[in-house]
Amino acid sequence: SQQGEEDPQALSIQEGENATMNCSYKTSINNLQWYRQNSGRGLVHLILIRSNEREKHSGRLRVTLDTSKKSSSLLITASRAADTASYFCATALAGGTSYGKLTFGQGTILTVHP
Amino acid sequence: GAGVSQSPSNKVTEKGKDVELRCDPISGHTALYWYRQSLGQGLEFLIYFQGNSAPDKSGLPSDRFSAERTGGSVSTLTIQRTQQEDSAVYLCASSLGGRAGRNTIYFGEGSWLTVV
Repeated sequence: SQQGEEDPQALSIQEGENATMNCSYKTSINNLQWYRQNSGRGLVHLILIRSNEREKHSGRLRVTLDTSKKSSSLLITASRAADTASYFCATALAGGTSYGKLTFGQGTILTVHP
Repeated sequence: GAGVSQSPSNKVTEKGKDVELRCDPISGHTALYWYRQSLGQGLEFLIYFQGNSAPDKSGLPSDRFSAERTGGSVSTLTIQRTQQEDSAVYLCASSLGGRAGRNTIYFGEGSWLTVV
């Protein structure tokens, strides 16, 4: 089973609305990151939140982390058509055996209609 | 270069042939990652190189897959005797190293492999 699982799998909204995507994970993490992917190619790092943080902001992005529930959410406020993309959460596990790698979820496909 | 460079961007190969995918990381980045993404799916970790340390190969799906990193820079992912299920986008990424997330990981545009 996946370490990170996003929901919803797909989200369709109108420009100007807010978009909320959720990510759940199973094991203890060092940090959780959100990435954006356009057209199935390269990923772009959006924001990182560490396990001892609860909320972070970056422009129109707001990420929350609840380690007790092993979940995170990504909020995009005042969405634009250009925000249309797939969004992935990725976890860096705590402990030494997976020091370097990120474990990705299946992603949420966001469509913002003009 | 300015970013992570991968080649070829697209490759169509016949089942049973070997393929090599190349990744040129950002200059100075000691950590290099290979991930695989099947159509409509998330990313699947394949292998991670960090400096001169032994690579983490725990994600390689079979012994047909191998990767090397020469001189701590360019990396080549080799798939021998390709199968149709190997069709996917192979994404390379690099970072300054350390625990995942300590430094931003930058992804290349990927190599789209189609096995026919």
